[in-house]
Amino acid sequence: KNEVEQSPQNLTAQEGEFITINCSYSVGISALHWLQQHPGGGIVSLFMLSSGKKKHGRLIATINIQEKHSSLHITASHPRDSAVYICAGANTGNQFYFGTGTSLTVIP
Amino acid sequence: EAGVTQSPTHLIKTRGQQATLRCSPISGHTSVYWYQQALGLGLQFLLWYDEGEERNRGNFPPRFSGRQFPNYSSELNVNALELEDSALYLCASSPWTGGPVGGYTFGSGTRLTVV
Repeated sequence: KNEVEQSPQNLTAQEGEFITINCSYSVGISALHWLQQHPGGGIVSLFMLSSGKKKHGRLIATINIQEKHSSLHITASHPRDSAVYICAGANTGNQFYFGTGTSLTVIP
Repeated sequence: EAGVTQSPTHLIKTRGQQATLRCSPISGHTSVYWYQQALGLGLQFLLWYDEGEERNRGNFPPRFSGRQFPNYSSELNVNALELEDSALYLCASSPWTGGPVGGYTFGSGTRLTVV
């Protein structure tokens, strides 16, 4: 069993839809990261969370420490949001546990 | 401001050879991280360097090693290459003050192919 589980694995949405990607973790972490990976491998760090909620543009990330769960929401989705979204937990030793990613396709 | 730069972008080696991958962090970032993304697999944590020292390593054999130089740039060395070492190797950097601070900035990766 992976220390970090993401769902769904694949997601197809119509442009404008509200999207939610979920992440559950079973290890002790000090921070939870959401990453966006574009075709070709380029990775962008979207959020780092240790509690609560963060918002950046149309992206919102939340974390519930007690339930060991985080969600990434995309409002008013757009085809340029199509990418793989990866959840990763980091412990105090900066060791990362990565989820297997959610492949998002937004159709115009 | 320049981002995290990795070189080379592509590298082809034969089984048994050694590969050296390089990473230059963002100016002011003292921590450098290395990750492996093999085809069909997720990202795997390899190594973390900070202030010239190896701080943590993932579950990889000793033939994966590296170092961090005084200017905080880093090298990843893979000895006795095996076919399954073929992967995208990503480097990231961040500032470090005793705990995760801010975000991590990733390089665009080195694609290593072992034939």
